Amino acid sequence: ETGVTQSPTHLIKTRGQQVTLRCSSQSGHNTVSWYQQALGQGPQFIFQYYREEENGRGNFPPRFSGLQFPNYSSELNVNALELDDSALYLCASSQDSLTGELFFGEGSRLTVL
Amino acid sequence: KNEVEQSPQNLTAQEGEFITINCSYSVGISALHWLQQHPGGGIVSLFMLSSGKKKHGRLIATINIQEKHSSLHITASHPRDSAVYICAPRIAAGSQGNLIFGKGTKLSVKP
Repeated sequence: ETGVTQSPTHLIKTRGQQVTLRCSSQSGHNTVSWYQQALGQGPQFIFQYYREEENGRGNFPPRFSGLQFPNYSSELNVNALELDDSALYLCASSQDSLTGELFFGEGSRLTVL
Repeated sequence: KNEVEQSPQNLTAQEGEFITINCSYSVGISALHWLQQHPGGGIVSLFMLSSGKKKHGRLIATINIQEKHSSLHITASHPRDSAVYICAPRIAAGSQGNLIFGKGTKLSVKP
């Protein structure tokens, strides 16, 4: 067990709805990154938070947003859901944004109907 | 051209065989991760390398920074090694160190 927990594990939404996914980082980790993995594809970087500030973003539209809290837990919010947002969403935490060992959660599987 | 190339894409081996998975990348990196993903999705980081070689049990990972190449070796493969193995360089861009991912190598080890 990595100590990184994600919730919910599975959820179903309809097009146009909004969703919030949560990630509880490993204790002592100040960096969290989020990834989207569509079925049969490799993960794609969404964004990274370091000490509550976003310090990197992949090629995702603004309707993908995030937060990191003082206890370093994190949220991923997706507005105006589209069918193509159906994917496994993974978060990973580390002690250092550049060179720290990464620990992944089990992921949240989102289905958009 | 993809920034990360992995080979082979699919690999079937008999139990006990020695396995090698290769990864080449084209960007500057601060480290490189080898990840294992089982059906169901959970990802485990097997190794994080920035130079040389690391060994953990039957797994060995090597990296050549000058040649921008890394390999993952599995000795005495076992059916429980069946999984997708992903090479994920960690780019070095200011304070941001996000991963870029290879497409993965699907390994199936037959008893």
